[in-house]
Amino acid sequence: DAGVIQSPRHEVTEMGQEVTLRCKPISGHNSLFWYRQTMMRGLELLIYFNNNVPIDDSGMPEDRFSAKMPNASFSTLKIQPSEPRDSAVYFCASSPYPGQGTEAFFGQGTRLTVV
Amino acid sequence: ILNVEQSPQSLHVQEGDSTNFTCSFPSSNFYALHWYRWETAKSPEALFVMTLNGDEKKKGRISATLNTKEGYSYLYIKGSQPEDSATYLCGSQGNLIFGKGTKLSVKP
Repeated sequence: DAGVIQSPRHEVTEMGQEVTLRCKPISGHNSLFWYRQTMMRGLELLIYFNNNVPIDDSGMPEDRFSAKMPNASFSTLKIQPSEPRDSAVYFCASSPYPGQGTEAFFGQGTRLTVV
Repeated sequence: ILNVEQSPQSLHVQEGDSTNFTCSFPSSNFYALHWYRWETAKSPEALFVMTLNGDEKKKGRISATLNTKEGYSYLYIKGSQPEDSATYLCGSQGNLIFGKGTKLSVKP
């Protein structure tokens, strides 16, 4: 397996534009996580899916952020409208099921810059 | 403890020193405790996943212990090397919430 695949690797966009980040988890993994890396909070959990269903979205910063997982092999994180303070590295991770002692595997991340 | 907390925030040691860090986590409704190693400009990679009270795991010079009753875990590095320089993350529960990490710098 190629691992968790995120696209794009880098995204530069203007304030107010819509941004969509994509993630393909490892085949067979039941859980998918979206994180944001910030100086203040470190690796911050945004949302967690289990079997394509959002289980915990309490980390989504505000209504401008939304995430979907239409099937087991694809997830998106959308920011609309984007703001400069959204600039960060966004990571996606997948796991068979972390609550049962299985590790999570991270994608390479998407570096988002909003100007 | 409501969140995962790690200490110290950063640590500077000399090559050859042994060191350890602490992770505190909510002890109620415990599922699993994860340790990850995160090098700069890379993605986090799993070191250990522990589920049982009293668990001890080892990978080379790195080892970890777990106390689920009091809600803490220790990560030990024996004979630190410059390549051990990284941020070490601790994560807990099914939704894998991480602490802010301990940034280790090992000077040659």
